[in-house]
Amino acid sequence: NAGVTQTPKFRVLKTGQSMTLLCAQDMNHEYMYWYRQDPGMGLRLIHYSVGEGTTAKGEVPDGYNVSRLKKQNFLLGLESAAPSQTSVYFCASSYSVRGEQFFGPGTRLTVL
Amino acid sequence: EDQVTQSPEALRLQEGESSSLNCSYTVSGLRGLFWYRQDPGKGPEFLFTLYSAGEEKEKERLKATLTKKESFLHITAPKPEDSATYLCAVQASGGSYIPTFGRGTSLIVHP
Repeated sequence: NAGVTQTPKFRVLKTGQSMTLLCAQDMNHEYMYWYRQDPGMGLRLIHYSVGEGTTAKGEVPDGYNVSRLKKQNFLLGLESAAPSQTSVYFCASSYSVRGEQFFGPGTRLTVL
Repeated sequence: EDQVTQSPEALRLQEGESSSLNCSYTVSGLRGLFWYRQDPGKGPEFLFTLYSAGEEKEKERLKATLTKKESFLHITAPKPEDSATYLCAVQASGGSYIPTFGRGTSLIVHP
């Protein structure tokens, strides 16, 4: 099992450009999450999904959109990137909302 | 609002020097408390879940304990390979059950 994978691993964008980050899991987990991690700020939840076709806002959702068209995939989109979105993005999944989360390796995004 | 505070922010130990990391929390009702380990450049990796005050869990040189206000991660005779950032996350019993993460403690163990 690959667990949770993220694509791409690194990306550099210019202000105003758009991009999509892909998260995939092969554990048949219902719950999936997108976090950003900034120095001194810890992990902050952007959006999450409780099942295929559902999404919900987390702590810092502004400037991001998500989609969960397939159970195994959770996409994070930036429509118009801003320097404030420079961060490391982590995807995670869990079997239930009460269980531990399994994290991907992260995507390092720089917005110039 | 749920709050999770980890201390210290950073900790440097000599190999074999035991110590403890702290995670204090404020929630309306605790459903579960999670400990994760994060190595540089990688995603967090699950260590333990604690559910009720008095509960303890162990794994190799790590032991996690829980009270009604805080959790400790005790590291006994640490080795350099224990160097990592340790994250605590708290899950409240009401609402969405989505956990709130602390900012972590960065541990460096010198040989």
